[in-house]
Amino acid sequence: NAGVTQTPKFQVLKTGQSMTLQCAQDMNHEYMSWYRQDPGMGLRLIHYSVGAGITDQGEVPNGYNVSRSTTEDFPLRLLSAAPSQTSVYFCASKREAVNYGYTFGSGTRLTVV
Amino acid sequence: GQQVMQIPQYQHVQEGEDFTTYCNSSTTLSNIQWYKQRPGGHPVFLIQLVKSGEVKKQKRLTFQFGEAKKNSSLHITATQTTDVGTYFCAGPYGGSQGNLIFGKGTKLSVKP
Repeated sequence: NAGVTQTPKFQVLKTGQSMTLQCAQDMNHEYMSWYRQDPGMGLRLIHYSVGAGITDQGEVPNGYNVSRSTTEDFPLRLLSAAPSQTSVYFCASKREAVNYGYTFGSGTRLTVV
Repeated sequence: GQQVMQIPQYQHVQEGEDFTTYCNSSTTLSNIQWYKQRPGGHPVFLIQLVKSGEVKKQKRLTFQFGEAKKNSSLHITATQTTDVGTYFCAGPYGGSQGNLIFGKGTKLSVKP
């Protein structure tokens, strides 16, 4: 049981490049989310999904796309990277039941130059 | 828009002192969750509070949910160096149970 797995752990992109951050969970969790963490800003919700085929926008969705074709995978796509997207990205998942918290992956540290 | 605020932003304590962080929401919350993030790590779920006025304890940690369900607190008794990290509160975003809006966190440092 690996939990939530994020790849890559580190990435450097040039402005304008695109890439996909991978997230996979093996706990059969219905809910999955993407957060970005910037110094002094806490965790801000980018996109979330309550099940396969269902996604919605969070607090800061601009510049990012997601899809949820399977329960296990929830990739985050940066369409055209900008320096403002330099951040640590966390993927998280949880069971649908109310009394469960989110399990976070170990994060992807992204730098856009 | 919906906001969750935490104070203080930083807290430095001597080992053995108590520590409290406060969380306030701009909206009434159906529940509130607390997470801890160690330096360089990822957030780890600590607890969820659901009922108005609820108090829960985990060893030296005491969590409270306000009567109006708009505020919460985390109190650590007799801090230890292992308590170092950032503590976040979080509530449902937009009324959905499936995702969370986080406060900016309180960073705790403990001097041995």
